Amino acid sequence: KNEVEQSPQNLTAQEGEFITINCSYSVGISALHWLQQHPGGGIVSLFMLSSGKKKHGRLIATINIQEKHSSLHITASHPRDSAVYICAPGSYNTDKLIFGTGTRLQVFP
Amino acid sequence: EPEVTQTPSHQVTQMGQEVILRCVPISNHLYFYWYRQILGQKVEFLVSFYNNEISEKSEIFDDQFSVERPDGSNFTLKIRSTKLEDSAMYFCASSEAGTGSSYEQYFGPGTRLTVT
Repeated sequence: KNEVEQSPQNLTAQEGEFITINCSYSVGISALHWLQQHPGGGIVSLFMLSSGKKKHGRLIATINIQEKHSSLHITASHPRDSAVYICAPGSYNTDKLIFGTGTRLQVFP
Repeated sequence: EPEVTQTPSHQVTQMGQEVILRCVPISNHLYFYWYRQILGQKVEFLVSFYNNEISEKSEIFDDQFSVERPDGSNFTLKIRSTKLEDSAMYFCASSEAGTGSSYEQYFGPGTRLTVT
């Protein structure tokens, strides 16, 4: 069983739609990271959270530590949001992030 | 805004050759990392480095790999004798302090290594 499961693997949306990407993990974590990987390959950190909810612009990330589940939401999606979104938990007393396989999002005008 | 830089952006090498991938982390960061991503696969942790020594490494990081911080700014990954399966995108990252996974990691743009 993978330590990190993301769903869906692929997602297409029309501009303006509300997007939800889910992440379940099996390890105990110190923090969970949401990352965005652009078509060119670059990786950008979106959020790091260990409890509750964080919001940045149109992006919202939530985490439920007891259920080992996190979600990333995008409100009013836009074609420029098209990218791969990666969930990466960081387990206790470790430096490494454990990467999920990512969710490929395409937003069409 | 400070950023992590990596050179070269693309490196082509022959099997058996040594390669050095270079990274300049953000200047006040103390933890440094290398990750790799084989085409079509997920990103994998290779190694973390703190206080001039390896703090953690994965099973992938065998004797063919080494890391070094030769001066106050560069952080390098050396692959001694490249194999075809080393072809991947290699990402450098850095974070401020503490146990790395509890701090935001900033990623460089990556070096695409192609071994022929």
